[in-house]
Amino acid sequence: GEDVEQSLFLSVREGDSSVINCTYTDSSSTYLYWYKQEPGAGLQLLTYIFSNMDMKQDQRLTVLLNKKDKHLSLRIADTQTGDSAIYFCAESAFKAAGNKLTFGGGTRVLVKP
Amino acid sequence: NAGVTQTPKFRILKIGQSMTLQCTQDMNHNYMYWYRQDPGMGLKLIYYSVGAGITDKGEVPNGYNVSRSTTEDFPLRLELAAPSQTSVYFCASRTGPGETTQYFGPGTRLLVL
Repeated sequence: GEDVEQSLFLSVREGDSSVINCTYTDSSSTYLYWYKQEPGAGLQLLTYIFSNMDMKQDQRLTVLLNKKDKHLSLRIADTQTGDSAIYFCAESAFKAAGNKLTFGGGTRVLVKP
Repeated sequence: NAGVTQTPKFRILKIGQSMTLQCTQDMNHNYMYWYRQDPGMGLKLIYYSVGAGITDKGEVPNGYNVSRSTTEDFPLRLELAAPSQTSVYFCASRTGPGETTQYFGPGTRLLVL
């Protein structure tokens, strides 16, 4: 079945760039997503990329997709303390019944002042 | 616009008790989902529905039941609660196939003792 893997933890200094990495196994993935979860809250969609794209930029967020290696990354420029959260990578395949999302385990990002 | 609402926010159950987690969305979305998030882990799909009267199992359906009698509501039933069902439960919805954004509720935290 589908599998999505992420590193567990990332520590970064305020003002630096953060890069969160994700790998997935489903070659039929259509959309790849990044969600943010703050403590005690639900998931907030940050951005997504369609599988025929290599890069997508949205303000401080840059998503890079290497489809050959099934590798997805999220770069956060000028990281702020408010960016401290858990970040989840997820994928879905258009063909999948119900367009189900498969999530990675999450990367906890800690921004130090 | 309320989006996806979930009740209760928090509940403690004794082993063997039953309960229903409520989920309602006011966006006229056809697709609805139930996920569970265990501590330090990603989200696992329990059940999903692609429309009223249609439900299907996800990755971890054992110990749960769902129904979808209306477009708006997608309750999750726990029969004979077990400590392994201690988790945070998230309901989500989306318009339908191809819709990129899945909207999440705030979650229900369940503790089974």
